[in-house]
Amino acid sequence: LAKTTQPISMDSYEGQEVNITCSHNNIATNDYITWYQQFPSQGPRFIIQGYKTKVTNEVASLFIPADRKSSTLSLPRVSLSDTAVYYCLVGYSGNTGKLIFGQGTTLQVKP
Amino acid sequence: DAGVTQSPTHLIKTRGQQVTLRCSPKSGHDTVSWYQQALGQGPQFIFQYYEEEERQRGNFPDRFSGHQFPNYSSELNVNALLLGDSALYLCASSTGQPNEKLFFGSGTQLSVL
Repeated sequence: LAKTTQPISMDSYEGQEVNITCSHNNIATNDYITWYQQFPSQGPRFIIQGYKTKVTNEVASLFIPADRKSSTLSLPRVSLSDTAVYYCLVGYSGNTGKLIFGQGTTLQVKP
Repeated sequence: DAGVTQSPTHLIKTRGQQVTLRCSPKSGHDTVSWYQQALGQGPQFIFQYYEEEERQRGNFPDRFSGHQFPNYSSELNVNALLLGDSALYLCASSTGQPNEKLFFGSGTQLSVL
């Protein structure tokens, strides 16, 4: 499973767009890129998953360049409730459900 | 539709004791994975159960064991508790498909004194 590097923490203000970049230089051909969000005293929650180019859903967008060695999670117009830890995961989990979490990025949204 | 439920929510034990944590997966899910999350760290994979068998295991000692029942619910048992076992224990469920997203419960906060 590829190792990921992401900023330990980020600050933003309400209404701003937040971009969190994750580096994964050793990503393998079969690997997918997945982001989870975690609030204090809760389990992680799936946000978005992609393989290449751009993926968008109702809460976020995921941008993946052609070389796939990095990815950027984009959160449009954040609110205070988006304050959380965001994890970038890279790998092909097969049918094992084994996810490798790093330390994640703690996003603090200020009023 | 209930999501993943875990019990108890909080637990206090002393060193050397044994503990059992319980998990009911989301409706329609038959695969359960357990994770340990120490304070300030990301979750660490303990093991996964499917069809009542342990399918894969992370780097945890044999003091950590589990079980899955015919109704797909699962238990995590930890023997001979150490202070370092204090953590949030998370259960996640899925249908076991490749790259499928996992649904996590809110966890059991275990404190070992």
